[in-house]
Amino acid sequence: QVQLVQSGAEVKKPGASVKVSCKASGYTFTSYYMHWVRQAPGQGLEWMGIINPSGGSTSYAQKFQGRVTMTRDTSTSTVYMELSSLRSEDTAVYYCARGRDMVQGACPGYWGQGTLVTVSS
Amino acid sequence: DIVMTQSPDSLAVSLGERATINCKSSQSVLYSSNNKNYLAWYQQKPGQPPKLLIYWASTRESGVPDRFSGSGSGTDFTLTISSLQAEDVAVYYCQQYYSTPPFTFGPGTKVDIK
Repeated sequence: QVQLVQSGAEVKKPGASVKVSCKASGYTFTSYYMHWVRQAPGQGLEWMGIINPSGGSTSYAQKFQGRVTMTRDTSTSTVYMELSSLRSEDTAVYYCARGRDMVQGACPGYWGQGTLVTVSS
Repeated sequence: DIVMTQSPDSLAVSLGERATINCKSSQSVLYSSNNKNYLAWYQQKPGQPPKLLIYWASTRESGVPDRFSGSGSGTDFTLTISSLQAEDVAVYYCQQYYSTPPFTFGPGTKVDIK
């Protein structure tokens, strides 16, 4: 079965960077796009970007352009999301989510458990 | 970017009664070449990741109870829970995944028991 296991909670200081991992199993890693979505405490879902694990191409929401980098390691079936220049407003649960179908235009169908990133001085 | 709105912000429905949530997109998410609406619905319970309920606006995901249904086309969509159960208490989000990213979410609708 499809499983997405994310790295553990992080506490970072303002201005630092954080790198969250998402290890996939139960399917062909390179066949499905991976989304990243975040959720601030008590708030709604915010789509951050998408990566094609096959070639590594990415597309980011404009809000995060210049601060976010999504990468993948096909040898370990893991995708990464790195967010830099952290500020308090970046405190959130970060989710990876696999596309339901094998195309970019597929909604997230399977979700990781989430990684809480806390930004605090 | 496509902006998604939802109404109401919250609603309380008696057990066994119907719950209806509306979602509107700022531009059409109907792709004319395949006649598909790139609109999904998710359910999120506290402390859990979202769960996909409906995709292509009206296709129920495997394992989702048939009391959940989606309808609509173009810019206006509806999620209906035909007979609310206690386990349906959650926040519901719509999301468009039309064409070029970003794939924006609606702000969410909280459903409670009256």
